[in-house]
Amino acid sequence: DGGITQSPKYLFRKEGQNVTLSCEQNLNHDAMYWYRQDPGQGLRLIYYSQIVNDFQKGDIAEGYSVSREKKESFPLTVTSAQKNPTAFYLCASSITGGSSYGYTFGSGTRLTVV
Amino acid sequence: GESVGLHLPTLSVQEGDNSIINCAYSNSASDYFIWYKQESGKGPQFIIDIRSNMDKRQGQRVTVLLNKTVKHLSLQIAATQPGDSAVYFCAEDNTDKLIFGTGTRLQVFP
Repeated sequence: DGGITQSPKYLFRKEGQNVTLSCEQNLNHDAMYWYRQDPGQGLRLIYYSQIVNDFQKGDIAEGYSVSREKKESFPLTVTSAQKNPTAFYLCASSITGGSSYGYTFGSGTRLTVV
Repeated sequence: GESVGLHLPTLSVQEGDNSIINCAYSNSASDYFIWYKQESGKGPQFIIDIRSNMDKRQGQRVTVLLNKTVKHLSLQIAATQPGDSAVYFCAEDNTDKLIFGTGTRLQVFP
């Protein structure tokens, strides 16, 4: 089955640590996206990539970093510079870099700072 | 600025009734709109979409209406069921990415 997989489902981070969230898709989609969702809130765009080896900052990129070395993978690193990282993180992909085909979402990673 | 917003943050309906969730958008150039459903602790799931050359599109128990004159989008769910309880997001295209609204929580009571 084709889909988009996020791992781990739950992640705990200590203060000052960097952590990396995994996102893998086998849909052959060109574009991938990372969103952050806080309780009772909407989706805020962190980073997106329309093609391999290229990515752009979204609305809340500070404290995060990404890479897109392979079409299938778009890992997100939450750095120690992100002061309030506790949130639900969603990865998505779409056929092309244009938005007129909709997104397929992963099941999310819940990150908690302990 | 451009935005996508929802009129009602929470909507409570009785099982079997019809539900209507509304969304306002401000970018008149947007030509593609999507409704997503998000259950607790899960990623959003595609429900239905509509392009700007249409004003209505129907799916299974769901209908999306687009009024470009007033820049308004709505999602109608017929015979609402307990499994429809979730947060519903509208989204509009913005050239290279979608812009999501803040969401409406739909609560279905017996």
